[in-house]
Amino acid sequence: DQQVKQNSPSLSVQEGRISILNCDYTNSMFDYFLWYKKYPAEGPTFLISISSIKDKNEDGRFTVFLNKSAKHLSLHIVPSQPGDSAVYFCAATPFYYGGSQGNLIFGKGTKLSVKP
Amino acid sequence: DAGVTQSPTHLIKTRGQQVTLRCSPKSGHDTVSWYQQALGQGPQFIFQYYEEEERQRGNFPDRFSGHQFPNYSSELNVNALLLGDSALYLCASSIGGPSGGAADTQYFGPGTRLTVL
Repeated sequence: DQQVKQNSPSLSVQEGRISILNCDYTNSMFDYFLWYKKYPAEGPTFLISISSIKDKNEDGRFTVFLNKSAKHLSLHIVPSQPGDSAVYFCAATPFYYGGSQGNLIFGKGTKLSVKP
Repeated sequence: DAGVTQSPTHLIKTRGQQVTLRCSPKSGHDTVSWYQQALGQGPQFIFQYYEEEERQRGNFPDRFSGHQFPNYSSELNVNALLLGDSALYLCASSIGGPSGGAADTQYFGPGTRLTVL
């Protein structure tokens, strides 16, 4: 049973518009959430994260929102650029070992295409 | 500053063989985690090494084993290869000690593409 779900396999957006990628989780023990971006033939690149004590975290064009009661998080990219075209993975982890990350549990990813 | 490096880039093996994959963590990182990414799936956690010991393990059989060296680099060994072991194997490094702070981000290498024929 998948604990982290990204229900949209793909998303297409026009350059300059907002991209919204969604992620749902089932395990209430998850305490920390991350988004990674992956280009073909490369490893996942860390984008942005959020702790369960927050409901929003911003970093430049990227904002992550967390709704704990709904067990839902989303990544907003504004404005979207063609270079943002990649597969985006949502990941979650409970805290282990005095605060250090343990096992990351990933969704299946959403392929974002940003058209010029 | 070099990021996480992995070798080899690609590998082709036949069923029943054994394989060793290698990973060097990002400078300053002491923890190495290994993930398997099958086609069309997200990465799946295999195990994590800290202070040369396996600290956590995912749902993978004993055919998957690992090692961490004093310089923090790590190896992943897979014995008795099956066709289903064909995947991208990713290594991630992080700061794993009891820092008392927020979770430390795992940074990924480019991966090793293993094909089992």
